[in-house]
Amino acid sequence: DQQVKQNSPSLSVQEGRISILNCDYTNSMFDYFLWYKKYPAEGPTFLISISSIKDKNEDGRFTVFLNKSAKHLSLHIVPSQPGDSAVYFCAASVAGGTSYGKLTFGQGTILTVHP
Amino acid sequence: DTEVTQTPKHLVMGMTNKKSLKCEQHMGHRAMYWYKQKAKKPPELMFVYSYEKLSINESVPSRFSPECPNSSLLNLHLHALQPEDSALYLCASSLGQGEAGELFFGEGSRLTVL
Repeated sequence: DQQVKQNSPSLSVQEGRISILNCDYTNSMFDYFLWYKKYPAEGPTFLISISSIKDKNEDGRFTVFLNKSAKHLSLHIVPSQPGDSAVYFCAASVAGGTSYGKLTFGQGTILTVHP
Repeated sequence: DTEVTQTPKHLVMGMTNKKSLKCEQHMGHRAMYWYKQKAKKPPELMFVYSYEKLSINESVPSRFSPECPNSSLLNLHLHALQPEDSALYLCASSLGQGEAGELFFGEGSRLTVL
């Protein structure tokens, strides 16, 4: 049972354009969502997060949008840069209590930004 | 210091060997985690320690034995592993279990079981 899904295994974007990575979840108990970036042979690096009380969070070139009714979130990267090429993981958790820290990850989306 | 340091980076072991993976953080975080990641798969949680006590064990086989000697250190003792246990083992830490905030991951220890 895959509770967090990233249906696009890969995405290719031209430098300077917008990258949009999508993530869907099925568990309505999730109330905290994170995006991680991973380069080969490295651990995941935290990018940005959003709590379920918000529908948008922005940090520089990265913006995460949350649509709770659709159980969908997306990561927008504007403008995209070649250094953004990596695997992007969406993750979800239940904030608070003994379940926190149990991040459930999506399958990942490989983003390639072409110069 | 915003790093989680894992050693060794690579480990090859036989099925009868006993080895350990080590993880260290000096960010004052009180929660530490072990995740396992197989090729082309997302990371999967194995264990969570909160304030040096085991908080979550995701039904991991007993051939994996975690240990948290203090709030900065986390070990994963390995014994009688199987070839299918070959994977990238990721350590992570966070301010505290139950507090909103991101997990900081180490670079991982790539384990190969022959």
